[in-house]
Amino acid sequence: QKEVEQNSGPLSVPEGAIASLNCTYSDRVSQSFFWYRQYSGKSPELIMSIYSNGDKEDGRFTAQLNKASQYVSLLIRDSQPSDSATYLCAVNGDKIIFGKGTRLHILP
Amino acid sequence: GAVVSQHPSRVICKSGTSVKIECRSLDFQATTMFWYRQFPKKSLMLMATSNEGSKATYEQGVEKDKFLINHASLTLSTLTVTSAHPEDSSFYICSAKGTGGTDTQYFGPGTRLTVL
Repeated sequence: QKEVEQNSGPLSVPEGAIASLNCTYSDRVSQSFFWYRQYSGKSPELIMSIYSNGDKEDGRFTAQLNKASQYVSLLIRDSQPSDSATYLCAVNGDKIIFGKGTRLHILP
Repeated sequence: GAVVSQHPSRVICKSGTSVKIECRSLDFQATTMFWYRQFPKKSLMLMATSNEGSKATYEQGVEKDKFLINHASLTLSTLTVTSAHPEDSSFYICSAKGTGGTDTQYFGPGTRLTVL
């Protein structure tokens, strides 16, 4: 059974701090990795995609991938209350599998 | 770019009726579309994968005769919930994957179905 694991949270982070979201996956042949943000009652929206080991930065977001450890993370710098949402990790091997999401709460 | 729309955004129907939900890729061609269901405070559940011009592939436990999927063009897929019952009330979300080798999925805004 191919799995994508995320801590369900809630993860509480003070405004302005760095939020760190983690994800592990079981399928070693996975090639593509995605982070989606989902606000309550809304559909997921793509934040980042990452395909190779290392860091990928886009504004306040940094995705980190370590294929040897089967680990992908998302860092959010200068966290804002508007970042409060559920963050879904998705991993694509022969099919895309979503984690159950981590609820992030930014404390004003 | 990569915009996916869904219609309707919200629908209320009586038990026993059928409801059709449309999913359109507005600015790209989608060879593959996915249909998900999400209950309140629960994770996304993949229902089926549809490829343009072929039959949909349903996930285990999803009744293909109840959830009819049609993907007749590269920009449109439809999900019909037949003989809807209150337990079918949920948030239905489609996503689309474009041509050109990308495997990124872009989600529609979702359709909230309430069956009375």
